[in-house]
Amino acid sequence: NAGVTQTPKFRVLKTGQSMTLLCAQDMNHEYMYWYRQDPGMGLRLIHYSVGEGTTAKGEVPDGYNVSRLKKQNFLLGLESAAPSQTSVYFCASRSRDRVSYEQYFGPGTRLTVT
Amino acid sequence: TQLLEQSPQFLSIQEGENLTVYCNSSSVFSSLQWYRQEPGEGPVLLVTVVTGGEVKKLKRLTFQFGDARKDSSLHITAAQPGDTGLYLCGANFGNEKLTFGTGTRLTIIP
Repeated sequence: NAGVTQTPKFRVLKTGQSMTLLCAQDMNHEYMYWYRQDPGMGLRLIHYSVGEGTTAKGEVPDGYNVSRLKKQNFLLGLESAAPSQTSVYFCASRSRDRVSYEQYFGPGTRLTVT
Repeated sequence: TQLLEQSPQFLSIQEGENLTVYCNSSSVFSSLQWYRQEPGEGPVLLVTVVTGGEVKKLKRLTFQFGDARKDSSLHITAAQPGDTGLYLCGANFGNEKLTFGTGTRLTIIP
């Protein structure tokens, strides 16, 4: 099993450009999450999904959109990138277990917006 | 919005020493996880605690969940350079999400 994979690993964008980050998981998990990680800020939730075809806003959703057309994939889109979106982006997934809430993370995408 | 506070933010100690890092909130957790993250990688789950007062051990790492379910600690005995990394706590407050602390960056000096 690959677990959680993210594509691409690195990307440089110019202000105003758009891009899509892909997250894929092979653990048949219902829940998927997108976080951004900035120095001194920990992990902040952007959007999440509790199942195929559903999405919800997290703590910092502005400037991002998401889609969950297939259970195994969760896409994060930036329609018009801004320098403030320079960050490391992590995807995570978890099962329906309502006791432990354990999340499994991908390796991250390092995005720079110039 | 629930907040998680981790302390200390940075910790640098000599190999062989012991250390403790803390994770605290003003609200009750449903469950709490500890993760370790190495540079350029995603966080990796170390342990989950769900019962107040629970203590779990993972080799030289001891994790404790406070009786009131508002705090947790991670104690490392005889630290080794391989323990170097960013330690994150993530808590569930009864919804679909985890709230993460800002992390403790640990450096073990050989």
